[in-house]
Formats: sequence, structure tokens, C-alpha cells
Amino acid sequence: DIQMTQSPSTLSASVGARVTITCRASQSFSTWLAWYQQKPGKAPKLLIYKASSLESGVPSRFSGSGSGTEFTLTISSLQPDDFATYYCQQYTSYPWTFGQGTKVEIK
Amino acid sequence: QVQLVQSGAEVKKPGASVKVSCKASGYIFTSYGLSWVRQAPGQGLEWMGWINTYSGNANYAQNLQGRVTMTTDTPTNTAYMELRSLRSDDTAVYFCARAGSYSGLDYWGQGTLVTVSS
Repeated sequence: DIQMTQSPSTLSASVGARVTITCRASQSFSTWLAWYQQKPGKAPKLLIYKASSLESGVPSRFSGSGSGTEFTLTISSLQPDDFATYYCQQYTSYPWTFGQGTKVEIK
Repeated sequence: QVQLVQSGAEVKKPGASVKVSCKASGYIFTSYGLSWVRQAPGQGLEWMGWINTYSGNANYAQNLQGRVTMTTDTPTNTAYMELRSLRSDDTAVYFCARAGSYSGLDYWGQGTLVTVSS
């Protein structure tokens, strides 16, 4: 199984800050990585797929990059609506696996 | 518009079974796979498995093998997830999500809370 490890687990940042979340995989793979945003009591929302493709309707301040064993999600200028928990997920091989999540809090 | 609508909350006793439904609309049901993901209270997301809605073939998480079955009813565009021999640590919100070929899980149901308690 491919294990996904996110860092940090919690991140405190101010509105307007640039934020980067890292996801490291226990095995190398190319591009089948997604990022999701989840708010309390809601279903996750797809932000990025294929490591760097922006899902339709998602603001351009979100971007993804990486390959191999290291992937990143960047929010270029944090907005009030962005305070949430973020998960990475690999879908290159079964079982698909999620990272443990990164909670982005208001500083 | 694409929608996945799940069945309502359930309360079950340990050892019982639960079957959650997920009705899809707004797209060709058999053109996309469907995954089930669960989230225990205060915890992260756990992938449970994936079903090919065209063939009915499924792939399950190892820790649920033997207890979970995913099926579909194509005439009604509905997917089902049955979990047997329920334990207290199966208490969670269960989500269905559409799986695009390349796009990850792009649409999600609203979630179904399953509570296992004696």
C-alpha cells in the first residue's frame, strides 16, 4: 500500500498569506494525486487532480505541483473561505489512500 | 447537474448490518466508477473501495474485505454499500463519490451517519 503523509498537521496563517501543504508518498508515482478541501459537517470538495490540474470552478489561487514522492498544494493568497482541512489522495494504485489531513486555522 | 443523494442516518447494534444507498443523477451512471469513503468522528478520510458501475466489479480496502459489499442497480442509477458485522469503530459518516478516470473523486454525496451502539 502507498502511505501518504501530510505536513504540517495544523497550520496557522493570516488572510493574504501564501500557504504550502506537502504530501509525501511511501512509493514513487507520477501524477495520479488529488487534493480536497473539507469544511466541518460537509463532504470533501475536489480542488486539484492529476497533481496539478485545477478542478473547474476552483479559484486560481489554488495550485498543485510535484511528482515522485513529494507533492504540494499552494494557496497563493489565503482567503477567509479557505480555512478548512485539506487532504491529499493517491489514486495510482489500489488501495487508494488519503493523507491524514492538514487543518488551516486563522492566525 | 451532477448529484449524488444518499440515504438517511442509521443506528445499528453491534453485529448487525447496514446498507447505504447513493442515487446518482445528471450524468451517465455507467460511465464513471463510484467510491465509498468513510470518516469516523473527528478523524480523517478512509477509502473503503471502488466499484466499476459498468461491470459491477469492485475493489475493497484490505481491512474491510469480507465485511463490505458494493453493488449497483443500473436501472435506477443507484449504488449500494453494505457493511456487515458492525462494530463500534464502524461509527462514521459514509460518503459515496464519483470517480472519474483521471480526475479523482469529483462529486460527493452528502454523507450518511451510521452509528453503531448497543
